[in-house]
Amino acid sequence: GQNIDQPTEMTATEGAIVQINCTYQTSGFNGLFWYQQHAGEAPTFLSYNVLDGLEEKGRFSSFLSRSKGYSYLLLKELQMKDSASYLCAVAGNTPLVFGKGTRLSVIA
Amino acid sequence: DAMVIQNPRYQVTQFGKPVTLSCSQTLNHNVMYWYQQKSSQAPKLLFHYYDKDFNNEADTPDNFQSRRPNTSFCFLDIRSPGLGDAAMYLCATSTRTGWSTEAFFGQGTRLTVV
Repeated sequence: GQNIDQPTEMTATEGAIVQINCTYQTSGFNGLFWYQQHAGEAPTFLSYNVLDGLEEKGRFSSFLSRSKGYSYLLLKELQMKDSASYLCAVAGNTPLVFGKGTRLSVIA
Repeated sequence: DAMVIQNPRYQVTQFGKPVTLSCSQTLNHNVMYWYQQKSSQAPKLLFHYYDKDFNNEADTPDNFQSRRPNTSFCFLDIRSPGLGDAAMYLCATSTRTGWSTEAFFGQGTRLTVV
């Protein structure tokens, strides 16, 4: 089976950097995704990691360590519009399994 | 733009009255998924199609059925909705069953059961 853990809530200040962690246990591994989901909206794709290391895309970076079953999403220069839930999802031997998401609140 | 479209965005149905949610895609993707997402919870996979091959998750209740008449359309039928079925229903697509491919989501249908 698959188990994905991430913090329930985080708060950070506008302009700051925040790191959202995700740990997972999975049977088979075909990559880890991060999705952003605003309240009442569909998830939108942010990043995909299948090899160890850091993937950078603008203000967003994602890191993966397969041996540790660990990933993080790093958001830089936070903006108010970044207030959303961030879902970690793992592709194993099954379709995507999502974590419960981390609700990020960006405050002035 | 090519996309995944769900109709309606909001659906209210009566307890026990059958309801159908629809999803269409212009991406020509092979795989279509239905997820159920309750408040503050993870999206939970109900089933998926690879072309016409249907795959039901083991813990998906029999109350939930799906149809995919062609590549573009997929339907979720709830035969006898209960109060516990109130949720956001998300349709998604991807290009193949190599699970490393990105899933594209529709806007979701928020179902209320009264």
